[in-house]
Formats: sequence, structure tokens, C-alpha cells
Amino acid sequence: DVKVTQSSRYLVKRTGEKVFLECVQDMDHENMFWYRQDPGLGLRLIYFSYDVKMKEKGDIPEGYSVSREKKERFSLILESASTNQTSMYLCASKTGTGFGYTFGSGTRLTVV
Amino acid sequence: QKEVEQNSGPLSVPEGAIASLNCTYSDRGSQSFFWYRQYSGKSPELIMFIYSNGDKEDGRFTAQLNKASQYVSLLIRDSQPSDSATYLCAVIGGYSTLTFGKGTMLLVSP
Repeated sequence: DVKVTQSSRYLVKRTGEKVFLECVQDMDHENMFWYRQDPGLGLRLIYFSYDVKMKEKGDIPEGYSVSREKKERFSLILESASTNQTSMYLCASKTGTGFGYTFGSGTRLTVV
Repeated sequence: QKEVEQNSGPLSVPEGAIASLNCTYSDRGSQSFFWYRQYSGKSPELIMFIYSNGDKEDGRFTAQLNKASQYVSLLIRDSQPSDSATYLCAVIGGYSTLTFGKGTMLLVSP
């Protein structure tokens, strides 16, 4: 089975900190995605990547950036964390030809 | 921008009944549709996908697609308490991005 690993299950950060959320997949998938999930708002796409060093903005990229230096790793960066970025962050990957995503277990980030 | 609409629920059904979950989408050009199940505190997991008009069956699950009405549904037969979860409908777009509905909570009572 494809495994998508998010490095932290829970994180607490202070306002203004630079935060790195890491995601690694082990099946050579081309496409990787970062979503955030909030009650009443559902899953919203932040950024995605379809190849190494390629990145595209999703629906809510403001306040975030990403890095994909290697195919297996896709990092989400909060340049200066704010309280409105408190959320569950979900990473996902898929092959270029396959259907559906495989999600990581999520990182619940709290910004205080 | 693609929009996917779902009734938030909760949808309550007794054990053994058929649960019917519905989803509408805004982009008439959408081709592929997905149903994910998400247990509380867990990440979503894919249970069905459909891209042709009509029905697709997998065990107790049936996905139904009506492109003319821009309507996707998921039927769960012989519902079990373990089916209690939030069900997310999703539509695929450019670069294989998925746009998700906000989900419908299903509660199956013993």
C-alpha cells in the first residue's frame, strides 16, 4: 500500500513563527497536494505539485508556500504563522494515471 | 471555480437500512467523481469513484451518476454502525486536483 507520512500529528506554534509541515510518500507519485480542513468549511486546496520543483497555487495559498526538491517530499511552509492558520493540514499524493488520492494522517496545528 | 454541494446532515438511519447520500456539482464539464469516507479524527479514505453515467456497485456500496442533472449519489445497503462517518463527495479538475464538498455525516444506530 502507498504510504503518505506526515512528520507531526500535533504541533503548537507561536504567532509569527515560521512553520514547516513535512510530507513524504513512498510510491514515486508525481502529484502531491496540501489541503486544510476546518469545521463547516471542508477540505480546501492550498498548494499542489505535479512534478519535482513544480508547484501551483490552489484555492487558498495566501500565507503559505511550498517546496518540492525531491519527488517523495512535499513541504508546506507557513511564513509567519497566524491564529487563523490553526487547522488540520492534510497531505495527499496520487500517480499521474491513477484514480483518487492517498492521504496522510494529518497534522493538527494550533497557533497561539 | 468548481463547487460541490452536500447536505451536512446528520443523516440518521437504523442498522440494516439503506443510506442515501447526495451531491450536486456546478461544472457541467466535470468528468470523474469520488466518494471518500472520513471517520472522526482520521484522514479521508477513498471508497468509490465513478465517471460514467449510471450505477457502479462495489459490495454494499453503489455510486450513481447523472451528468444531465449534475448529480452524484452514494447508496450504502445494509448499513452498519461502523459505517457511521462523514462522507465526502469530490470532483476532479485540472492537474488532478480534487474539489471536495463539505461532507455529510451519517449516523447508523444499532
